[in-house]
Amino acid sequence: EIVLTQSPGTLSLSPGEGATLSCRASQNLPSGYVAWYQQKFGQAPRILIYAASTRATGIPDRFRGSGSGTDFTLTISRLEPDDFAVYYCQQYGDSPPSITFGQGTRLEIK
Amino acid sequence: QLQLQESGSPLVKPSQTLSLTCAVSGGSITTTTYSWSWARQPPGKGLEWIGSTYQNRGTYSNPSLNSRVTISRDISKNQISLTLKSVTAADTAVYYCGRTNMRGEFHYWGQGILVTVSS
Repeated sequence: EIVLTQSPGTLSLSPGEGATLSCRASQNLPSGYVAWYQQKFGQAPRILIYAASTRATGIPDRFRGSGSGTDFTLTISRLEPDDFAVYYCQQYGDSPPSITFGQGTRLEIK
Repeated sequence: QLQLQESGSPLVKPSQTLSLTCAVSGGSITTTTYSWSWARQPPGKGLEWIGSTYQNRGTYSNPSLNSRVTISRDISKNQISLTLKSVTAADTAVYYCGRTNMRGEFHYWGQGILVTVSS
């Protein structure tokens, strides 16, 4: 079973700053099927990035996904008040199909 | 626009069976382009994949839940169902259904339903 470890657990930043969120997999992910989600309190998650670096529909280019192998990163530039939320990474394996989520990074206003 | 709506009993007694339905509108569950999945989130905790059903690949579930989970589809009603047997307090969570692409990511989510396991 692949385990995803996100760091840091909590990130305290101010609006206007940039954020770097990490997601490390316990095994190599050759397919790069990694997605990132944003979740606000009381809401369902919203997809931001899929296939490691492709922005989902309607996601501004301030959000950038990168990485390969075991290390993946979500970078958010010029933080806006609406960006403060919890972020999850997720991987997909195909043989057999399985999905794993990271434990989440909370992005809070400093 | 695709919409998903979970429904079911919000309160289940320990050792009994949790049953939820996901009504899909704006798209057909018989598509071979997408799969349909369930995930859950205990209060204050992270997300956990429960399982996914594919039109032409069958159904797969989280090994940690495998023996207790059944995911089925009702084509006539365009619905996906989840049953989870022998529940305990640890199964208390918000349960989400979603449409997943073949890369496994959830592009569409239902609003979620809180299910509490308590006597």
